[in-house]
This record gives sequence, structure tokens and C-alpha cells, in this order.
Amino acid sequence: DGGITQSPKYLFRKEGQNVTLSCEQNLNHDAMYWYRQDPGQGLRLIYYSQIVNDFQKGDIAEGYSVSREKKESFPLTVTSAQKNPTAFYLCASSTAGHLVYEQYFGPGTRLTVT
Amino acid sequence: AQTVTQSQPEMSVQEAETVTLSCTYDTSESDYYLFWYKQPPSRQMILVIRQEAYKQQNATENRFSVNFQKAAKSFSLKISDSQLGDAAMYFCAYRGDNTGTASKLTFGTGTRLQVTL
Repeated sequence: DGGITQSPKYLFRKEGQNVTLSCEQNLNHDAMYWYRQDPGQGLRLIYYSQIVNDFQKGDIAEGYSVSREKKESFPLTVTSAQKNPTAFYLCASSTAGHLVYEQYFGPGTRLTVT
Repeated sequence: AQTVTQSQPEMSVQEAETVTLSCTYDTSESDYYLFWYKQPPSRQMILVIRQEAYKQQNATENRFSVNFQKAAKSFSLKISDSQLGDAAMYFCAYRGDNTGTASKLTFGTGTRLQVTL
């Protein structure tokens, strides 16, 4: 089945450690996105990528890094510089182009840092 | 920067009744797109309906319809014949026309909808 997978569903880390969240899609989409969801704040865009080997900062990129070496994969690293990393992280993808295409979302990863 | 406001943190509706969720937005763009997403307890985001700002006709998808008022910058979602499966968080989202080839979305803070028997 085509879709987006995020693993793991729950992730626990100690403060001061970097952690990488996985996002894979087999929808042949060029564009991929990372959002952060906190209670009462909706979804906020962290990073997005329109094509392989290219990505741009979203609204809250500080303390995060990404790579886009393959079309199918867009991993997000939460670094120790991120002050409040505990959150629910959602990955999405869409066809890229000047028409508006639907974003398809993965099931999310709940990250807890203690 | 664009902002999206959902002023109703929680709403409740009885099964089979109709409910309207509110959304307002602020933008200086003339062309843009608006969306309603549903997030059930599984937390999987699902697109409910979309509206192109250049279209005067309100979008409809089965029991879901919108009331798009461009001058007022208002985009409400009406759910008719509510079902228990409609219980979820609903997010309003905005996508400007000048965001390149990626569909960057700005989301509101969400409305939690409860459906009662």
C-alpha cells in the first residue's frame, strides 16, 4: 500500500542527546514536510523540502536539522539545542508544483525527552 | 505573515444534528487555498475539504460543506447529520499562492468536536 511511515511511534531520550526521527514515503512525492504539534498550538512547520538535496526552514527550525538524500526519505534530527523537544512530530508529503496538491500525513512520532 | 484563528477550542453536537466550526484568517494575498483537516484519536491527519479563494462557490463533500466569506476572511465548516465517527480535532489551514512548488500550510489551533448520543 502507498503511504507514509514514521518510526518509531514512541521515542524516549535523555536531555542532551540528539535523536533522529524517520519518515519514509512511497507515494513518489517530490515535496516533504515536518510539523510539530503541541497541545493548544496546532501544527507548526519545522522544515520542508521541494526536491532531493534541497530543503528550507519553516517557522520553527531552530534546534532541528534535516537531510534529503533520497526522494523517499526525509529524516528529522532533534538536536540538544532544541529547548523544548517533547512533542508530537508529523511528517507529510505532497506532489510539488504550482497547482495545489493535498498533503498526506504519516501517523506521527511522540518524542519524550527527560 | 498569515495567521489562522479558530476561536472555539471545543464544540459538542448530538448525533444526527448539524454543527458549524469557525475559522478566520489574516492575509494580504488575493489568491490562496483553505483546508479543513480532521485528526481523530489515532492522530492521523485526514483532509476533509478544500476551497480555492478564486472560486465563489462553496465547497461540499458529502456531509461536509464550507461557508467561505472572502471579504470577511472567514472559512467555517458545517457538518450535517453528525456521526459518532466525526468526533475528532478539526484544524483549519491556509496555503498562500506564493510559496513556490511546496504546499506549506499554516494551521489554526484546532477545535475539538464531541459527538453525543
